[in-house]
Amino acid sequence: GAVVSQHPSWVICKSGTSVKIECRSLDFQATTMFWYRQFPKQSLMLMATSNEGSKATYEQGVEKDKFLINHASLTLSTLTVTSAHPEDSSFYICSAPGTGAGTAFFGQGTRLTVV
Amino acid sequence: GENVEQHPSTLSVQEGDSAVIKCTYSDSASNYFPWYKQELGKRPQLIIDIRSNVGEKKDQRIAVTLNKTAKHFSLHITETQPEDSAVYFCAASSFGNEKLTFGTGTRLTIIP
Repeated sequence: GAVVSQHPSWVICKSGTSVKIECRSLDFQATTMFWYRQFPKQSLMLMATSNEGSKATYEQGVEKDKFLINHASLTLSTLTVTSAHPEDSSFYICSAPGTGAGTAFFGQGTRLTVV
Repeated sequence: GENVEQHPSTLSVQEGDSAVIKCTYSDSASNYFPWYKQELGKRPQLIIDIRSNVGEKKDQRIAVTLNKTAKHFSLHITETQPEDSAVYFCAASSFGNEKLTFGTGTRLTIIP
């Protein structure tokens, strides 16, 4: 089946630094990638939708200048958390749409800890 | 936009008994309703899904029912086992909109 590979699986960074998270579709082309954030014991909240070759669409309340999304190719989407702060510590996970409406292939997720 | 509510937030069930988790949605255009199981630190895993042209779907010990009129759907797990312990999320999406809106999650604990 289709696989979305997400890296890194975990990262610890200092406040003020930037962190890049990558999601690759390994055996299919993903023109769209959804980026979610999940705080401990909470649900997955959609942050933004990246589209290959065009600007990402951000959900209300998500700072586009802080969470930079790039979808430069049909197999790679990246999320960069800029000037990270402890409150950005969370589980970030991407997903690519499947062939059936609403179906999704999730990456493994990235546990970000900002110290 | 879509809003999905999920109950209960926690559920403890004796091994072998049944567990039921319920979700309601707000957007009548939603037509795809998946259920995910998520273990700590892992990606969500699809366990069963249902589309709006079907009222019920079953896969071994897991079943999902959908009531379009009332805009609610439920997950039923029978003969629960310790390995069923996890967090379960319902979700909804609509045709032409591939975004999934997730419920708030239910932490299911199976008591041996």
